Amino acid sequence: EAQVTQNPRYLITVTGKKLTVTCSQNMNHEYMSWYRQDPGLGLRQIYYSMNVEVTDKGDVPEGYKVSRKEKRNFPLILESPSPNQTSLYFCASSLMTGNTEAFFGQGTRLTVV
Amino acid sequence: DAKTTQPPSMDCAEGRAANLPCNHSTISGNEYVYWYRQIHSQGPQYIIHGLKNNETNEMASLIITEDRKSSTLILPHATLRDTAVYYCIVRAFTSGTYKYIFGTGTRLKVLA
Repeated sequence: EAQVTQNPRYLITVTGKKLTVTCSQNMNHEYMSWYRQDPGLGLRQIYYSMNVEVTDKGDVPEGYKVSRKEKRNFPLILESPSPNQTSLYFCASSLMTGNTEAFFGQGTRLTVV
Repeated sequence: DAKTTQPPSMDCAEGRAANLPCNHSTISGNEYVYWYRQIHSQGPQYIIHGLKNNETNEMASLIITEDRKSSTLILPHATLRDTAVYYCIVRAFTSGTYKYIFGTGTRLKVLA
């Protein structure tokens, strides 16, 4: 089954404690991205990657890092989480062509206290 | 970047057609219109997309105006399980990559 898998689904952490949210896709997609969703603001792109070792900032990259060492994995790293990063996070993947849909993971609800 | 405008909420009676409008007046000629929906806080689910022509699949129909400045998603026989937030999105090609530009969506409530 084609899918994007995120882990963990829920995470409560303390300010400043480094964490990683994993994302993996099994569709051999070149393009992967991370979004955060906050009430009233919709989904905003954090980072994206067009292929292995190619990453770039989205609209709200501050406080986040990513890596793309393998095509299937695109982890999101919060080196020093802060309460304003409390949010619902989604990973997505798609082919690079303009006429295909993106597949989204089930989300990671992060709370930073 | 092309942006979309949708009504914040709509109601629809179960079994009736749900027609969800979207304005995208600044869309460029090569930008696709996509529709996704999000049930509760799950990951957005793809519904349909189109460029110029009307499209239909097993879930919905997409009607795009001739000038491409607006579109309508049609769920032909809405069920309670179609209650969700529906996003109309323009997939823009910008800075050498594709990007989904999400709006705030329409919250559709299907009423029994």
